[in-house]
Amino acid sequence: GAVVSQHPSWVICKSGTSVKIECRSLDFQATTMFWYRQFPKQSLMLMATSNEGSKATYEQGVEKDKFLINHASLTLSTLTVTSAHPEDSSFYICSAMGRGGSYEQYFGPGTRLTVT
Amino acid sequence: LAKITQPISMDSYEGQEVNITCSHNNIATNDYITWYQQFPSQGPRFIIQGYKTKVTNEVASLFIPADRKSSTLSLPRVSLSDTAVYYCLVGILNRDDKIIFGKGTRLHILP
Repeated sequence: GAVVSQHPSWVICKSGTSVKIECRSLDFQATTMFWYRQFPKQSLMLMATSNEGSKATYEQGVEKDKFLINHASLTLSTLTVTSAHPEDSSFYICSAMGRGGSYEQYFGPGTRLTVT
Repeated sequence: LAKITQPISMDSYEGQEVNITCSHNNIATNDYITWYQQFPSQGPRFIIQGYKTKVTNEVASLFIPADRKSSTLSLPRVSLSDTAVYYCLVGILNRDDKIIFGKGTRLHILP
């Protein structure tokens, strides 16, 4: 159980375009979802925390107008990279936490974004 | 915020027990300690989580001393497929708190 999917698994886009990444909890309801980015051989960096039905909380240094997060339902959160630039190329990973007492995050498989 | 320190890399051999220690000196009272495994181009996979003393599951053990300022992930009888990056995570999932990942330990298992 506790499966999180991401779509797409990889995407290549041109500079200036926008890209949407979906994160879904397949077999549980996720009250909170997290978005991370990871550069090669580096740790995960938390970008934002989103709670269903409310605005996302962004980490310091993350532009909320550039990285739009929507958590419209208990099973879906989306990250839209607007006006993407080559420096936005990275591995984006989402995670979800279900209801209940466990503080375990269930991670998605990640999305490789390449901006040309 | 809990500052996390873990070794950058470790080598071991198949069949050995591997212990990876994570330091988190200013861990907060409500913080849990969680370890994840990550293979290249994949999302992290949950290994084990604990709050204090010892926790054991089918893949690992987690030892946490009384002061909780460190924790040790123990992998029994590792195999080549255990070659991965292991992350120590300290925090509580609360919108007011921070989730802190360590920089990860690259474990390389040799035949």
